[in-house]
Order: sequence, then structure tokens, then C-alpha cells
Amino acid sequence: EPEVTQTPSHQVTQMGQEVILRCVPISNHLYFYWYRQILGQKVEFLVSFYNNEISEKSEIFDDQFSVERPDGSNFTLKIRSTKLEDSAMYFCASSEIWTSPTGDTQYFGPGTRLTVL
Amino acid sequence: AQSVSQHNHHVILSEAASLELGCNYSYGGTVNLFWYVQYPGQHLQLLLKYFSGDPLVKGIKGFEAEFIKSKFSFNLRKPSVQWSDTAEYFCAVNAQSGGSYIPTFGRGTSLIVHP
Repeated sequence: EPEVTQTPSHQVTQMGQEVILRCVPISNHLYFYWYRQILGQKVEFLVSFYNNEISEKSEIFDDQFSVERPDGSNFTLKIRSTKLEDSAMYFCASSEIWTSPTGDTQYFGPGTRLTVL
Repeated sequence: AQSVSQHNHHVILSEAASLELGCNYSYGGTVNLFWYVQYPGQHLQLLLKYFSGDPLVKGIKGFEAEFIKSKFSFNLRKPSVQWSDTAEYFCAVNAQSGGSYIPTFGRGTSLIVHP
């Protein structure tokens, strides 16, 4: 069964450094998402992406965040200057269709645990 | 903005006990409702979803959920839990905002089932 994959599984970085989290969505999916989950807290929506542009973003997704689909398979989340509070598990997800009234099912990757020191 | 509340943060049961996990959302418009499960060391997986029609939805592994619109609730149930149901359970809502759907997750409920 096709899966969403994410690399690395764990990233440790120094405060102020840039990090890029990578995701490979399911190949025939068109919509891509990033979520984060700070330890002990709920899963929070960051951004959705379709047709090479951002569809929706939350208040969390400020100017230090960016997303990109650099080629036909990867979907990346960049954090320009990491802060301590960026430490979290970051989940990528993809779905076939999203803007339908049914809001299609999202398939999640295993997550990347980001630790900012 | 919509929000999702999961009232039980930690639930501990013995095998064969019945399970009900509460989920309430705050949004008056059209919503799509989901329950996801995250087994230890694994990624989020869809248990079941409700879009329209019969408010009683059956999912995988014997789980079901009932959408009660008047109560803004979508509680998850299982008549008899197993040790393998030990996991984190997340309720999620896709609510319409403009022309798009914004997904919102609850905080999750940690379920431990003792053999």
C-alpha cells in the first residue's frame, strides 16, 4: 500500500539555524499538508498546498516558514531561523482531492521530530 | 474559528471493557468529521469518517462513531476493547472557511488497555 514518507525521522538543530523537512507524498495525490504537534499538545494545521501554491495556512505559519515542491515527488517545509518553540513533531500528509465538499481523506507520514537546542 | 474538544485525555481500560471517547466541536456550518489513531511508534491512520448520510459510522477494527448534530458531537465507541487498541486517538474536523476546508484536530486521548 502506498505511504507518505518523511525524512529525517529526527533532526536536531541549534537555535537560529535553518532546517528543511522533507516529505514524499503518495504519487497520485494532489494536495499536500504540513502539521505540527508540540509534545503533549494537539496536532495543529500549518499549511496546505495545491498546484504549486499555498491553499490555506494557519496563524502559526508565519514568515519564517515556507513550503516548496521542488520536483515531482518531494514536498518540503523550511524553517528559516529556528526557535526553541519550534521543537515539535512535524507531520506531512497528502490527499487525492480536498476542495470537494467531502474533504477527502488525508494520509499521514510518520513524522519528523525536530529538536531545537 | 472552529475548535475540537476531546474531554478524556487519558483512559485506562481492561480488555473486553467498552469504550467511548468524547469529541465535541464548535462550528455551525458544514463539517466533515474524522477519527484518527496513532499506535505507538506509528503514524496517524484513519479510523473512520463522516461526511453525510447515516450519522452512525462504522470504521475499521470494530470502531464506530455517532454524529449528533444537535450536540456538536462525534463520539467514538467500541463495545469490547483489546490490548492492541492501546494508542492515541484524535478527533478531527474539516470545517468550511470561504471556499476551502480547514482541518482542526483535538488534543488526543491516550488509551491504555490492560490485558
